[in-house]
Order: sequence, then structure tokens, then C-alpha cells
Amino acid sequence: QKEVEQNSGPLSVPEGAIASLNCTYSDRGSQSFFWYRQYSGKSPELIMSIYSNGDKEDGRFTAQLNKASQYVSLLIRDSQPSDSATYLCAVNTGNQFYFGTGTSLTVIP
Amino acid sequence: DAGITQSPRHKVTETGTPVTLRCHQTENHRYMYWYRQDPGHGLRLIHYSYGVKDTDKGEVSDGYSVSRSKTEDFLLTLESATSSQTSVYFCAISEPWRTEAFFGQGTRLTVV
Repeated sequence: QKEVEQNSGPLSVPEGAIASLNCTYSDRGSQSFFWYRQYSGKSPELIMSIYSNGDKEDGRFTAQLNKASQYVSLLIRDSQPSDSATYLCAVNTGNQFYFGTGTSLTVIP
Repeated sequence: DAGITQSPRHKVTETGTPVTLRCHQTENHRYMYWYRQDPGHGLRLIHYSYGVKDTDKGEVSDGYSVSRSKTEDFLLTLESATSSQTSVYFCAISEPWRTEAFFGQGTRLTVV
């Protein structure tokens, strides 16, 4: 079983819609959770971090964490074409980061 | 942007030759990581370091070695390059526990 699993997509949403990205993890001892955005040919860029159960909002982005269900999600409101990228879920188990394979998002103008 | 520089950015090498990739940071972060990224596999950890001369293996360490003689530099060596090591290699840095990892620009390595 992989440490971090994501729906690989691809996911397509119209401009202005809400994009929902999901991730599950296997290590119950994980304490730090992250979402990265990666444009084609570029390096991953951190967009959200979350450490406690519940929601964390930053602009158009909301991260949700449910440790009991071992589930992390990312909502992107008012999606823009510039949000088109691959989104990586990451979990820190103490001294290592585990990454999902990513979900490809396309926002259609 | 976090101060992480990878070199070279692109390299083509022949099968059987040794190759060294360099990661240099100016952030004084304790942890440094080497990942490879391949289609369908995402980011996979090769080796990581938790201090000068302190390193450990990741999930895909076979055929790779690392060294960290200074806080700011983390070297990845492919001892005898194979075509299966054609990939994009990313260096990342972080501090322990509840902090994020920051990535370098990546090195695209092609083994022919």
C-alpha cells in the first residue's frame, strides 16, 4: 500500500467553478500535510500546509484535514486557467516526505 | 524563492559513466533530500540527509550514493549510470517536523 494516494485524474472544471482534490495517507503518525502545485517542466511549489483537523483557508484555496479518516483535501474556488497544473499531496512522517502521484487539473476558459 | 540551486540543470551521459548532481542551499536547513520524478510514479525519495555526514536511504536508493560534507551542499552520485536512471531529479530542503519542504529547480538527466 502506498503511503499517499491521490486520484490521478485528469480533472477538468470550467473557469469559475470549484475544483476538489482528494488524498488519503496510511501512516496514522503523520503530523504535517501539504499541497504542492507543479506546472509542466517546473518544480513543485508549496501552496498550502495544514497540521490540525478542520479547514484552513488561504485566498481561493481551502485545505481540509480529517486525521480519523486519514484524509486530506484541497478546494480551489473560482478556478482560473492559471490554476491548470498537477497538484501533489504530501505527508511528513517526521523525517521524510511522502508524495502522491499527483492530480492533473485543467481549468477550461 | 528558497535559496536552493541544483547543478547541472540538464545533462546527457552515457551508460556506465559516473554522474554527480549537486544541490546547494543558502537557508541553513538541516534536512536535505534527493527525489526522482517519473511519469506514473510521482516523487520518490532516493536519499536524504539530516545533518553533515548524516544520511539515510530512501525507497529507490539502489545505484545511488550521497555525500554531505557541509551543511549547504548535498551531492548525489550515480555510480554507473543506467538508462533506468533517466529522470528528473529534485533536491529539497526542510527543517525537522512541522515544516514544509522547498524544492530546487530540478535536473533533467538523460542516460543514453
